[in-house]
Order: sequence, then structure tokens, then C-alpha cells
Amino acid sequence: AQSVAQPEDQVNVAEGNPLTVKCTYSVSGNPYLFWYVQYPNRGLQFLLKYITGDNLVKGSYGFEAEFNKSQTSFHLKKPSALVSDSALYFCAVRDDTGFQKLVFGTGTRLLVSP
Amino acid sequence: EAGVAQSPRYKIIEKRQSVAFWCNPISGHATLYWYQQILGQGPKLLIQFQNNGVVDDSQLPKDRFSAERLKGVDSTLKIQPAKLEDSAVYLCASSAGQGMSTEAFFGQGTRLTVV
Repeated sequence: AQSVAQPEDQVNVAEGNPLTVKCTYSVSGNPYLFWYVQYPNRGLQFLLKYITGDNLVKGSYGFEAEFNKSQTSFHLKKPSALVSDSALYFCAVRDDTGFQKLVFGTGTRLLVSP
Repeated sequence: EAGVAQSPRYKIIEKRQSVAFWCNPISGHATLYWYQQILGQGPKLLIQFQNNGVVDDSQLPKDRFSAERLKGVDSTLKIQPAKLEDSAVYLCASSAGQGMSTEAFFGQGTRLTVV
């Protein structure tokens, strides 16, 4: 069965600095990877996905993620953080076996200070 | 394009009572998901529908939870009887087809408090 690990409960970064939110995954087949963001009292919003091809994926709001097959990682990045980026970030994975369940990690809280 | 609609937004019930949540997915989306998100945790998949058929319900506590998706559109999730540990946000999501590459779109969720 597929699984996702987000090793950091919280990431703190100063506004204007680069940010990285880590994600590692485990799947039986080929991975399909997603990042979502959740603001307070809101549902999850899709940010970006990796399907195949270029290992660097660009998404919404200036976010990007780098897929690394050998390290089974899919870290979320942004070159310059904004205070408004403060939210809860979830990594999710689906593999191409079985019923393609979409499985989420436990989430990482990003706190960007002014 | 209208998003995933859920109702109610909030619900408070006593333990052992029953409750139902409603979800209207994005028009044309064949796949519908119900997730349970307990405070401080990631969403846990309860059930996944493809049209009106169940694809996966391995983590649905079937002794108390039930879900249906009549006519392959709207869906309801029911809890009967509720327990204190059912307090959570229940998220509905939908995606176009069951393709591995398709992202899921989420509703705002229903926050359930069982007292």
C-alpha cells in the first residue's frame, strides 16, 4: 500500500527567504504525487502535481516541487516566502496499482514571519 | 465552474445520535471521495466512488458509517450512532475520472463535534 511521510510538523521561515517542505513516499508501482494547501476553516486547495517527465514541477502561487525517484522524495519549494503562505501543507500520493487511492501525509505547518 | 458543495458546514450532536452529510461534486466528475480529517492529522480516505459504484471502502467503519451515491452524482455520508472519536472534519472531494494523474478538488468540509 502507498504511504506518505512528512517529517516536519512545522517549518519556520522569514519572509523573503526560500522555503522547503519535505515529503517522502512509498508506492508499489509508479507514483503520482500531489501537493495541497489548507487555510484555516477551508478545504484543501490543489497546488501542483507530478505525473511524468520533468522532475521540477511548477504550480500555483509561485510554488514548485522537485521529484527525486532515487530518494523517493517530492519536496515543495518556493524561492521567496510570503507571510500569506502561512498555512498547512499536505503531500499526497497515488500509485498505478490497485484502485489508485489518494493517500495523504500528516501535514506540515508553514509559518512565515514578517 | 462551481466547486464541490458540502452541507452543513458545522454540526454538533450528542453521542449515540445519528448525523448525515451531503456532498454535490463538480459537474461531470465521475470519482467522489469522502475523507475524515481529525484535528492535527492528515485526511484519511473513508470511501471512494466511481460513478455510483464503490471503489474502496476499506477504512470505513461499516458498523456505524454508511455512504451512498445514488445516480452517480450527489452523495451522503451517515454516522449512526456517533461516538466521541468521530469528532472531525468530513471532507468531500471529486475528480474527473479515475485516472492516476487527475487531481481531486475538495469542498470546504463539515466540522462535526460529538459531545
